[in-house]
Amino acid sequence: DTGVSQDPRHKITKRGQNVTFRCDPISEHNRLYWYRQTLGQGPEFLTYFQNEAQLEKSRLLSDRFSAERPKGSFSTLEIQRTEQGDSAMYLCASSAWEAYGYTFGSGTRLTVV
Amino acid sequence: GESVGLHLPTLSVQEGDNSIINCAYSNSASDYFIWYKQESGKGPQFIIDIRSNMDKRQGQRVTVLLNKTVKHLSLQIAATQPGDSAVYFCADIPYGGSQGNLIFGKGTKLSVKP
Repeated sequence: DTGVSQDPRHKITKRGQNVTFRCDPISEHNRLYWYRQTLGQGPEFLTYFQNEAQLEKSRLLSDRFSAERPKGSFSTLEIQRTEQGDSAMYLCASSAWEAYGYTFGSGTRLTVV
Repeated sequence: GESVGLHLPTLSVQEGDNSIINCAYSNSASDYFIWYKQESGKGPQFIIDIRSNMDKRQGQRVTVLLNKTVKHLSLQIAATQPGDSAVYFCADIPYGGSQGNLIFGKGTKLSVKP
């Protein structure tokens, strides 16, 4: 396990469609985070899990967004009824228990047309 | 509100020169600061971090300086190389804040001229 893996790397979808992204964290990391990054901006926090528990959600995470980490390992982020404003890079990161040195994945770039 | 920002959006340096990237933060309760490097098409890569009880921390070719009086953070890169070309972000976690919520600045794009 060499790092955080995200799939797919790129996704183009039509407005109104649902999309799901997957993140596989570093195996011994308890914490998993989702961030969103738009062009020219820094990443913005969306949500994070400690094991399977979702401990915090940003107000950026509208009701069209849902994240799960059912077994405390991989996580999925689903966006329903996508809008053009959802176009962004979605980044996943993981860290060990109470460790601050996040490791980020390479992200999934979503384009809504 | 809480914000972490950068003084300059772009920085161009000659290969071999030292680079200094600056960052200002607004929350005096910020407890922990991190610098990330992000290359095109990749996720942010951890460079170095510093806690609020420190003024300086050194890594390999990088030094982070923290001035709590003026709420200013800087990243110094010695002998800048072409591989250092990237966007650099500072991020922080306020004291007592969520350990999930890193707050990022907008980034500085570093270009290294050969």
